[in-house]
Amino acid sequence: SQQGEEDPQALSIQEGENATMNCSYKTSINNLQWYRQNSGRGLVHLILIRSNEREKHSGRLRVTLDTSKKSSSLLITASRAADTASYFCATDARSYGKLTFGQGTILTVHP
Amino acid sequence: DAGVTQSPTHLIKTRGQQVTLRCSPKSGHDTVSWYQQALGQGPQFIFQYYEEEERQRGNFPDRFSGHQFPNYSSELNVNALLLGDSALYLCASSSMRQGQETQYFGPGTRLLVL
Repeated sequence: SQQGEEDPQALSIQEGENATMNCSYKTSINNLQWYRQNSGRGLVHLILIRSNEREKHSGRLRVTLDTSKKSSSLLITASRAADTASYFCATDARSYGKLTFGQGTILTVHP
Repeated sequence: DAGVTQSPTHLIKTRGQQVTLRCSPKSGHDTVSWYQQALGQGPQFIFQYYEEEERQRGNFPDRFSGHQFPNYSSELNVNALLLGDSALYLCASSSMRQGQETQYFGPGTRLLVL
């Protein structure tokens, strides 16, 4: 079963615009990780945020975590056509434990 | 530094057959997890191996079994294949010993059951 719900399910934007994806989850977590997947291939790790952190940045990525609302958001700034992919959030209830994924957001960035 | 590798990349089997998928973890990693991803869905956790033992298991039947070798590589075995086992099977590695929580995924094995 999926723990997380990603919102929106699909997002279509123009190059240069920002893209925001949201993730909600149900149980307490140790950390939350965001992954990207191109065309049904392997997942690429983007960023990990721990339950005691509120915000993390990595390049054009900004992730926030609100444990009181059990939600996270991923912001991609100045998007590029190469950012077109599916994005998944995954929660880890305990370190090194199983990851529980949401359904994903399909992002399409038009040149 | 090689990342996580999986073999084969694609596989076609018929119902009732058995399949073995293989995974080599990223260099320095000691923990391997397996996931099943059906088309249009997020990955679902099958099980995790550390120190050659199954440490955690998801909601998958006993037809799904695995093994971890002393060199940390791992195999996923599925017996009595069903049509519904058609999916992308992903392997991920991490390191409990080094305190690295991030899980790195391989490219996956796409299994088609006819």
